[in-house]
Amino acid sequence: QSVLTQPPSVSGAPGQRVTISCTGTRSNIGAGYDVHWYQQLPGTAPKLLIYANNIRPSGVPDRFSGSKSGTSASLAITGLQAEDEADYYCQSYDSRLSGSIFGGGTKLTVL
Amino acid sequence: QVQLQQSGPGLVKPSQTLSLTCAISGDSVSSNNAAWNWIRQSPSRGLEWLGRTYYRSKWYEDYAASVKGRIIINPATSKNQFSLQLKSATPEDTAVYYCARGRTAAGSFDYWGQGSLVTVSS
Repeated sequence: QSVLTQPPSVSGAPGQRVTISCTGTRSNIGAGYDVHWYQQLPGTAPKLLIYANNIRPSGVPDRFSGSKSGTSASLAITGLQAEDEADYYCQSYDSRLSGSIFGGGTKLTVL
Repeated sequence: QVQLQQSGPGLVKPSQTLSLTCAISGDSVSSNNAAWNWIRQSPSRGLEWLGRTYYRSKWYEDYAASVKGRIIINPATSKNQFSLQLKSATPEDTAVYYCARGRTAAGSFDYWGQGSLVTVSS
């Protein structure tokens, strides 16, 4: 069971907007630690999508955005495209575990 | 452009040591603003951070509590690479293993290796 909780799956039609939540506790997100998001296509390594809650690395489309509030964070994807179909993971740091932690992942299906 | 190239056996017998190496290009294992991590992924455990090594005037290692006592992450400065050793492997250690670059303990992982499927089985 992952320390950060994500919905197992979300779906949306092309062009729509979807959000993926990531819920933590007072020892990780709630303690002020940054949240980072990754996209993983089948058979490939995770790719950094958002870091430090809401910053996109160079090359990541602005259709992807992140936010954080309290003990939770969210990834929003607007203008859904077929190529966005992938698994998405959140990551943060936990002071009680003294290490990085990940969410269980959310499978995005583009209908 | 940073690239991480992983190598190592894909099959390990139970009770033996799982060993992997990650060769770095485009950065230095001795960099003062990078940390070199091992992360694994399995259907039962999801993505799991295992540990890291980094240089800040001297070498440091941090390990996840779940593997502490069994894990060693070592830099190899002359080859610009770092390695993972996981002792007393069990079938529960079967996973895809990734090396990845980070910056700080709470930071993101911006470059990843290609992944190595390691199966622990007799």
